[in-house]
Amino acid sequence: AQSVTQLDSHVSVSEGTPVLLRCNYSSSYSPSLFWYVQHPNKGLQLLLKYTSAATLVKGINGFEAEFKKSETSFHLTKPSAHMSDAAEYFCVVSESGSGYSTLTFGKGTMLLVSP
Amino acid sequence: DADVTQTPRNRITKTGKRIMLECSQTKGHDRMYWYRQDPGLGLRLIYYSFDVKDINKGEISDGYSVSRQAQAKFSLSLESAIPNQTALYFCATSDFGGFADTQYFGPGTRLTVL
Repeated sequence: AQSVTQLDSHVSVSEGTPVLLRCNYSSSYSPSLFWYVQHPNKGLQLLLKYTSAATLVKGINGFEAEFKKSETSFHLTKPSAHMSDAAEYFCVVSESGSGYSTLTFGKGTMLLVSP
Repeated sequence: DADVTQTPRNRITKTGKRIMLECSQTKGHDRMYWYRQDPGLGLRLIYYSFDVKDINKGEISDGYSVSRQAQAKFSLSLESAIPNQTALYFCATSDFGGFADTQYFGPGTRLTVL
């Protein structure tokens, strides 16, 4: 069975400072991992995904994440926060099973960005 | 135009009423999914469909039913709505359904059951 733990329900940063959103996963197989972002009153948008290729994954809007198998982590980072980054972020794990996949979502981390 | 659309976007209903939420997609994907989102719980899978003839229960299917009318349309029904079904509902699609496949989400339907 797969599971995801987002270690912080809320993260507050100042504009221009680094962002770190933490995610740990559990998976019986080699997983795929995703980060999705949800802006207020919007649907979910894919930021980036890891699919067993390069362990450092670059996504949209300057975000990146590093897959660390030994630590079962997939933390999301950005060097410099922007006001428009304020949103809820979901770490998601998927593993293969009988030729299909289902996603398991973390509970989300709300990123607050202050001027 | 959006690739995945959901109607209605907002709905308020009363306990015991039958409600249908609709999802349409123009991405040409075979796989479609229904999730509900509750504050602090992330998204949980209700039902998923690999094609018109293949529908499967997800983690929290009790109290819900679905219909896959065509490749592009996937509806979620609440046969007799209850207040704890108040949530934000998302439809999603994916192409191959493999474990590395990206799911694309609609804008969501906010449902309130009084």
